[in-house]
Amino acid sequence: EAQVTQNPRYLITVTGKKLTVTCSQNMNHEYMSWYRQDPGLGLRQIYYSMNVEVTDKGDVPEGYKVSRKEKRNFPLILESPSPNQTSLYFCASKFRGSYEQYFGPGTRLTVT
Amino acid sequence: EDKVVQSPLSLVVHEGDTVTLNCSYEVTNFRSLLWYKQEKKAPTFLFMLTSSGIEKKSGRLSSILDKKELFSILNITATQTGDSAIYLCAVYAGGSYIPTFGRGTSLIVHP
Repeated sequence: EAQVTQNPRYLITVTGKKLTVTCSQNMNHEYMSWYRQDPGLGLRQIYYSMNVEVTDKGDVPEGYKVSRKEKRNFPLILESPSPNQTSLYFCASKFRGSYEQYFGPGTRLTVT
Repeated sequence: EDKVVQSPLSLVVHEGDTVTLNCSYEVTNFRSLLWYKQEKKAPTFLFMLTSSGIEKKSGRLSSILDKKELFSILNITATQTGDSAIYLCAVYAGGSYIPTFGRGTSLIVHP
């Protein structure tokens, strides 16, 4: 089944404790991206990647890192999480020349 | 700066009602507009619109784009409780494949 998977789905952590949210897709998509969704603010892009080893900042990259060592994986790293990073995070992927994105199931992160 | 505005922000209706959701945009070199439905999980694709005046239809849902007035509408007829969701609009513009999302319209359909 074609899909985007994220892990973990739920995470509660404390300020400053490094964490990684994994994202994997099995559709051979070149383009992958991370979004955060907050009430009243819609989806805001954090980082995106057009292909392996090619990443770029989105609208709200501060406090996040990403890497794209393999085509199927695009992990999101929070080196020192803070409470303002409490949010619902979505990974998405698509073919580079396409517009329709496929979203993962979301990761709800709480930083205390 | 590209801008996508959805209205209303929220809407509460009863089953059987017809609703119209609006997405207006101000972007440079418009390329396409997409509608997504988000229930209590990931957004799922509904429609992609690139040309004015051509209606896209899927069951009770339909959408149309007006490139002159810079907006799109999403119509849902004979609403059902399963239509309750956040409806997101995303616009692609310029030479970029990175979309600008609106804040979404939250639709609640009561039985």
